[in-house]
Amino acid sequence: KQEVTQIPAALSVPEGENLVLNCSFTDSAIYNLQWFRQDPGKGLTSLLLIQSSQREQTSGRLNASLDKSSGRSTLYIAASQPGDSATYLCAVRKEDSSYKLIFGSGTRLLVRP
Amino acid sequence: ETGVTQSPTHLIKTRGQQVTLRCSSQSGHNTVSWYQQALGQGPQFIFQYYREEENGRGNFPPRFSGLQFPNYSSELNVNALELDDSALYLCASSLTLIDEQYFGPGTRLTVT
Repeated sequence: KQEVTQIPAALSVPEGENLVLNCSFTDSAIYNLQWFRQDPGKGLTSLLLIQSSQREQTSGRLNASLDKSSGRSTLYIAASQPGDSATYLCAVRKEDSSYKLIFGSGTRLLVRP
Repeated sequence: ETGVTQSPTHLIKTRGQQVTLRCSSQSGHNTVSWYQQALGQGPQFIFQYYREEENGRGNFPPRFSGLQFPNYSSELNVNALELDDSALYLCASSLTLIDEQYFGPGTRLTVT
């Protein structure tokens, strides 16, 4: 059974810091991995999607890496800003008939001005 | 803006009642998935519909059911509501089974 774990559960940093969010998964048979952002009470905004054959993806200040063999992904946020405060969710796309997403519980990030 | 819409935004129901949540997928997307997100948790897969047929189900009881219509809309029905059904319900549509899923804003259901 695929399980996705995110560490840390919560993080508070001063503005301007570079930070790393971690995601681990137990089954390497994934189709892809996706990082989402969720503001309180809102839906999910896709940040980065990494196919299983890729090692990393970049978008602006965000960089996500994938090590499928070790079951790990990291989301790197450069020069954090108060507007980055949100919950960040990692999800793996299971490689079966439904290709459903399996989510971690998220990391709640607070960037202090 | 993903083009996926959900209604209603918020809903309050009493234990034992039935509820229908609606989702309008992006045009041309033949796959819709529903997820339940309890407070402080990640979304959990409920089920998926592909070309109007159920194509996979998570660990949810039969009182959770769904429909997908030819006009790219879908419904999630929950019978005999329980307090633990209080959650944010998210739908996601994709062009096909393997394409990226695009999420709607969700429906917040509160069961009292």
